[in-house]
Amino acid sequence: GAGVSQSPSNKVTEKGKDVELRCDPISGHTALYWYRQSLGQGLEFLIYFQGNSAPDKSGLPSDRFSAERTGGSVSTLTIQRTQQEDSAVYLCASSLAAYTSYEQYFGPGTRLTVT
Amino acid sequence: AQSVTQLGSHVSVSEGALVLLRCNYSSSVPPYLFWYVQYPNQGLQLLLKYTSAATLVKGINGFEAEFKKSETSFHLTKPSAHMSDAAEYFCAVSTDTGNQFYFGTGTSLTVIP
Repeated sequence: GAGVSQSPSNKVTEKGKDVELRCDPISGHTALYWYRQSLGQGLEFLIYFQGNSAPDKSGLPSDRFSAERTGGSVSTLTIQRTQQEDSAVYLCASSLAAYTSYEQYFGPGTRLTVT
Repeated sequence: AQSVTQLGSHVSVSEGALVLLRCNYSSSVPPYLFWYVQYPNQGLQLLLKYTSAATLVKGINGFEAEFKKSETSFHLTKPSAHMSDAAEYFCAVSTDTGNQFYFGTGTSLTVIP
């Protein structure tokens, strides 16, 4: 079946603009995760959803970042008033449930460049 | 709190040689440990995982890793490197008391013909 998809694959935006990044998880996966991968850095955990609920938002870097998930499926990560330090690859993953022994399936990522 | 350290951001091996990628973790509770691989322009793919069963874990593509509690390590090995193994490898740790995964900074593997 289809894997995790993310759109857009690349996004170039001007500093100060808002951006929305989309993630379509694998059908039937109740857990969804967002990560940020900066150049030379590991994956930074941002937020996860179990269903439509995000139990822990402490990984979001600032209040300019927000995420939502509707219908237990598609998720959107929104970055308001983008800054140059937001430039990174944003990865989405899904798993059957939000339990750490379950494998996470990753999407190809969205490369965000803030100019 | 949990964390992962991957020693060596770049590793080069000759084709046919042993691959050894190092991962040390820090966890106050029994960990779950993972190795992921990221091929160029692709998403991360799970290679193998340790979830408190056998300490020697076998994964895909001939890779394996051994959980050593005394050394807090989970090094990834493969007896004979192939050109197709060239990729970025990430070690990750999590626990059964939380739902966060902590990834290392990655090791880029180059295989020399």
